[in-house]
Amino acid sequence: GAGVSQSPSNKVTEKGKDVELRCDPISGHTALYWYRQSLGQGLEFLIYFQGNSAPDKSGLPSDRFSAERTGGSVSTLTIQRTQQEDSAVYLCASSVKRGMETQYFGPGTRLLVL
Amino acid sequence: GQQVMQIPQYQHVQEGEDFTTYCNSSTTLSNIQWYKQRPGGHPVFLIQLVKSGEVKKQKRLTFQFGEAKKNSSLHITATQTIDVGTYFCAGFGNEKLTFGTGTRLTIIP
Repeated sequence: GAGVSQSPSNKVTEKGKDVELRCDPISGHTALYWYRQSLGQGLEFLIYFQGNSAPDKSGLPSDRFSAERTGGSVSTLTIQRTQQEDSAVYLCASSVKRGMETQYFGPGTRLLVL
Repeated sequence: GQQVMQIPQYQHVQEGEDFTTYCNSSTTLSNIQWYKQRPGGHPVFLIQLVKSGEVKKQKRLTFQFGEAKKNSSLHITATQTIDVGTYFCAGFGNEKLTFGTGTRLTIIP
């Protein structure tokens, strides 16, 4: 079956512009995660969705970052008024349920803010 | 909050040498997972350990979960160029999965 897909694969934007990153999780996976990975660095947790529960937003670095998950499937990560330090790879992952199950990662969106 | 540290951060080895990365959690874990990320790629699940003291093997890779369920290790015997990448552990505890800082392995042919 299809894995986790993300779009766009690459995004170049100017400082101050808003960007939207999309994630399509594996069908049937109720848990969805967003991570940020700067060049050569580890995974920085951003936000987590589980079914219809309130999302865990504890990793969002500032109020410029927000995410939605519509219909329990597709998720959109929005970064408003982008800054150069937002440049990174944004990875989405999904799992059947939190913690006890494998996380399947998408290919990521490489964001460059000029 | 829960913190998961890995050492070393980087490891350069000659092809054929062994490699070990260590993962330590600040809290007791329910389980621990290991992922591998090839250069330019995304993390891919390798294995999950659940039981105290558990040891699992995948060909040249040996994974261990500590008795106290707060630490884990990944050992690769006789490294090959295909082993290049960053290895992450991820510990599940307190209803949260926390990724380690990763160990980047490079191989000198």
